[in-house]
Amino acid sequence: DVQLVESGGNLIQPGGSLRLSCAASGFTFDIFPMTWVRQAPGKGLEWVSVISISGAAIYYADSIQGRFTVSRDNSKNTMYLQMNRLRVEDTAVYYCAKGGWFGGPGLDPWGQGTLVSVSP
Amino acid sequence: QSVLTQSPSASGTPGQKVTFSCSGGNSNIGNNHVYWYVQIPGTAPKLLIYRNDQRRSGVPDRFSGSKSGTSASLAVSGLRSEDEADYYCAAWDDSLTGWVFGGGTKLTV
Repeated sequence: DVQLVESGGNLIQPGGSLRLSCAASGFTFDIFPMTWVRQAPGKGLEWVSVISISGAAIYYADSIQGRFTVSRDNSKNTMYLQMNRLRVEDTAVYYCAKGGWFGGPGLDPWGQGTLVSVSP
Repeated sequence: QSVLTQSPSASGTPGQKVTFSCSGGNSNIGNNHVYWYVQIPGTAPKLLIYRNDQRRSGVPDRFSGSKSGTSASLAVSGLRSEDEADYYCAAWDDSLTGWVFGGGTKLTV
């Protein structure tokens, strides 16, 4: 079965840093783009970033541009989200999902999510 | 404020048909495929429809998607109580160079 497991979420103060991981299994990781999507408490879905198969191409949402960095280690079947200069408004459940390149077959599946809480 | 516009809520009774709308612009829906996701609160979203009208494997044919111009629709026929969830549309936006989601429609059955 295809499985995505996020980890690394925590309670952190504004201005701090956190690194999330997304461990993939059950599929050939290095032939699929990967995506991060977040959801603030009680709110809708917000796309964060998509990374290409090799990691050479990455797109970011304007809201996190310059503060967050996405990377992947295909040898470890893992994608990362390095979050710096965190703000209260970054509080959300962060999901990783397989896929996400424009024109592709969509984000499928999604992980269970990891909660990031940014609070003084 | 979401780039794609969805009605915040919809309702229906078992067996009925309900249609969700998703409105965008030329840089997103007008020039790219539309995707639909469903989320039961407290759980992760799941893909329903990809590339406007293609059902994900395992999704019942009660669910159907369509697109016209800068708008898209998701129809659910033969409503069941288990269809009660939040439904989101999404599309790639050429101007923003990223994915945009609708605000979601909460379906009550």
